[in-house]
Amino acid sequence: SQQGEEDPQALSIQEGENATMNCSYKTSINNLQWYRQNSGRGLVHLILIRSNEREKHSGRLRVTLDTSKKSSSLLITASRAADTASYFCATAGANSKLTFGKGITLSVRP
Amino acid sequence: SAVISQKPSRDICQRGTSLTIQCQVDSQVTMMFWYRQQPGQSLTLIATANQGSEATYESGFVIDKFPISRPNLTFSTLTVSNMSPEDSSIYLCSVGQGTGELFFGEGSRLTVL
Repeated sequence: SQQGEEDPQALSIQEGENATMNCSYKTSINNLQWYRQNSGRGLVHLILIRSNEREKHSGRLRVTLDTSKKSSSLLITASRAADTASYFCATAGANSKLTFGKGITLSVRP
Repeated sequence: SAVISQKPSRDICQRGTSLTIQCQVDSQVTMMFWYRQQPGQSLTLIATANQGSEATYESGFVIDKFPISRPNLTFSTLTVSNMSPEDSSIYLCSVGQGTGELFFGEGSRLTVL
């Protein structure tokens, strides 16, 4: 069964704008991760945040985690056309297996 | 990170046939997984490929339909047996090094006619 549920399902923004994507989950987790997938290709790991962390940064990416609300957000600042892709959140439980959400399709217009 | 090569990258197959997908990693890895991504959908874990022993399958997936081999720490195969159009998907090999994140191959896009 799927754990993470992202919203919105699709997002279209102008280049230079910020993109915010949200993920909610149902059970306790060890960590939450975000991945990017370009045009049905393999997934690329973006960032991992552990259950005892609240915020993490990596370049133009900022991830927050609120375990009390069982939710996470991914912020991409100053978006570029190359950021156009599908973004997935994935949660890892005690067994370390990853469960992926349905994904968000981000379109960045030049 | 690990570099993962999957073959074939895509194939078109006839109903009732079987196809074996190969996954080669450029370094020894502790964990290897096989995922399926049906058109427009998210990823679903098929099984964990265990080196030297039988794979561990997730609910809804069975060894007869998806036999998996993992003869060493750098290589695994997934066979999709007796295919039907419902098996048309992208099949993805992924590996983990125990740090939590997974690295993925480019996927094998399978179309069953």
